[in-house]
Amino acid sequence: KAGVTQTPRYLIKTRGQQVTLSCSPISGHRSVSWYQQTPGQGLQFLFEYFSETQRNKGNFPGRFSGRQFSNSRSEMNVSTLELGDSALYLCASSNPPGTTEAFFGQGTRLTVV
Amino acid sequence: AQTVTQSQPEMSVQEAETVTLSCTYDTSESDYYLFWYKQPPSRQMILVIRQEAYKQQNATENRFSVNFQKAAKSFSLKISDSQLGDAAMYFCAYRTDNYGQNFVFGPGTRLSVLP
Repeated sequence: KAGVTQTPRYLIKTRGQQVTLSCSPISGHRSVSWYQQTPGQGLQFLFEYFSETQRNKGNFPGRFSGRQFSNSRSEMNVSTLELGDSALYLCASSNPPGTTEAFFGQGTRLTVV
Repeated sequence: AQTVTQSQPEMSVQEAETVTLSCTYDTSESDYYLFWYKQPPSRQMILVIRQEAYKQQNATENRFSVNFQKAAKSFSLKISDSQLGDAAMYFCAYRTDNYGQNFVFGPGTRLSVLP
């Protein structure tokens, strides 16, 4: 079974631009969650989508948004990029209630210059 | 809000020896899940072990075992017969229920394995 796939792996954007990251979950998994990882703040939960609906949201500004498609693939969008948005963005998939753990992708490294 | 604390930013262990990584958490929930994830330089988060809070028996996965003390809200990871491939960042994580997939992670412990 293929794992969680995130694209692109690396991205460089200019301050003020917007960016879209993609995540394809493990086949059959309906939940996709997103995390931001930075050296200063560690791993922070952004939001979770389940069956195309946002089920949980972390404490991030409205510039961070996401969506999930009918095939469970998810996209995350960040508008008006700031230097502080530079981070590793991790996507995780799971299939509750059957699975308790989340399976992570390799992440997208976003650099804002 | 739930919080997870890992008091050891860095640890080192000799190959073939045993090391214990500490984790404490704070929650008012009675049902939850605890996890240890490993993040090697490849950045891929890999599940090491999980523990359901309603289970009193400590989880074990090959060389990895936990010491789960629910009353003390403590969840330590013991790695036996350490191998060079165990070198990584280790994150302790908490999840509140069976449906929400919003994990709360600790700050991590960087483990070095010395040959």
